[in-house]
Amino acid sequence: QKEVEQNSGPLSVPEGAIASLNCTYSDRGSQSFFWYRQYSGKSPELIMFIYSNGDKEDGRFTAQLNKASQYVSLLIRDSQPSDSATYLCAVTGNQFYFGTGTSLTVIP
Amino acid sequence: DADVTQTPRNRITKTGKRIMLECSQTKGHDRMYWYRQDPGLGLRLIYYSFDVKDINKGEISDGYSVSRQAQAKFSLSLESAIPNQTALYFCATSDFLGGDTQYFGPGTRLTVL
Repeated sequence: QKEVEQNSGPLSVPEGAIASLNCTYSDRGSQSFFWYRQYSGKSPELIMFIYSNGDKEDGRFTAQLNKASQYVSLLIRDSQPSDSATYLCAVTGNQFYFGTGTSLTVIP
Repeated sequence: DADVTQTPRNRITKTGKRIMLECSQTKGHDRMYWYRQDPGLGLRLIYYSFDVKDINKGEISDGYSVSRQAQAKFSLSLESAIPNQTALYFCATSDFLGGDTQYFGPGTRLTVL
């Protein structure tokens, strides 16, 4: 079992819609959870992090964490074509583990 | 100037050659990491260092070695490159006091023929 699991996609949403990206993790001792965005051929860039159960909002992005279910998600409201990228979930436990990423395409 | 730099950005080499990838940072972070990225496999941790005297193996350290020359410099070596080490390599840094958020360099695309 992988430490961090994500659906690889591709996920396609129309412009203006809400995109929902999901991630599960296996280590119950994990403490910090991150979402990164990666454009093709570029380095990952941080979107947001979350440490506590519940929701955390930053502009059009909302991260949701449920430690009991070992589940973290990212919602992107009012999706734009520029949001088209691969989204990586990352979790810190004994090490820093990344999921394989979900490819998102926002259709104009 | 970029906070995390990697050199070279692209490298083509032959099987059996020794290769060194270098990473420098100006963020003042204590922790540094080397990852490789392959299509469909995501980012996999090769080595990480929490300070100059601390080196730890990651998920896929076989065939690689590292050197932490200073707080700001962390090098990755392939002693005898093989074709399945062809990948995109990223260096990253983090600061424990900053919540361990990782910041990535631009990447090095390595091709081993």
